[in-house]
Amino acid sequence: EAAVTQSPRNKVTVTGGNVTLSCRQTNSHNYMYWYRQDTGHGLRLIHYSYGAGNLQIGDVPDGYKATRTTQEDFFLLLELASPSQTSLYFCASSENWGDYAEQFFGPGTRLTVL
Amino acid sequence: GDSVTQTEGQVALSEEDFLTIHCNYSASGYPTLFWYVQYPGEGPQLLFRASRDKEKGSSRGFEATYDKGTTSFHLRKASVQESDSAVYYCALSDQQGTGSKLSFGKGAKLTVSP
Repeated sequence: EAAVTQSPRNKVTVTGGNVTLSCRQTNSHNYMYWYRQDTGHGLRLIHYSYGAGNLQIGDVPDGYKATRTTQEDFFLLLELASPSQTSLYFCASSENWGDYAEQFFGPGTRLTVL
Repeated sequence: GDSVTQTEGQVALSEEDFLTIHCNYSASGYPTLFWYVQYPGEGPQLLFRASRDKEKGSSRGFEATYDKGTTSFHLRKASVQESDSAVYYCALSDQQGTGSKLSFGKGAKLTVSP
C-alpha cells in the first residue's frame, strides 16, 4: 500500500514568514501533488509534478512555490505567508497520470498564519 | 473547465438510514468519476471509481452508477453505520492536453448517530 508522509503535522507562523512543507512517498510513484483543503471549497490543486526536477502549475498556485528534489520528495514553499494561506494542506501521489489513476494522500499539515 | 457539484454540505442520519449524496458533473469529454472518503484526522482515500456510462462502482456497501444522460454519479448506501461518519468527495478526471488531473467537489460531511 502507498505510504505518503508529511511534515510537520502542524505549523504556526506569522504574516510574512517563510514556511516549507515536506512530503515523502515511498512507493516509487511518478506523480506527486499538493492540495489545500478549505471549508466550502473542498480540495484544490496547488502544484503537481511528474518526476524529479519537474513542476506543473495547478488551479490555485498564487503565493506558492514547489520543488521536487527526488522521486520521493516534494516540497511546498510559502515565501511570504499570508493569513489567506491558513489551511489544511495535503500531499498525494499516484503511479501514473491517466484517467483511472488513484491518488494516495498523506495525513495533512495544518498551517496557521497569524 | 470541467467541474463537480455536490449539493449537500452536511448530512445527518441515524444508524440503518438510507444514504444518498448527490454528485453532478460538467465535462466536455468522457471523464472517469471517483468517490473519495476522508475519515477524521486522515487524508482522503479512494472509495471507488467508474469510467463508462452505466458502470456501477461499489465498495464497503456504498455504490454509485455513472449516468452520462443526467451527468450524475450519486453515492448511495442502504444502511449506514456510525463508522461511516466522514467527509465524502466526488471527483472527476479532467482531461488537459496529454494528461489529466482530478477536480473535486466541495465535499459532504456525513454524521451518523447511534
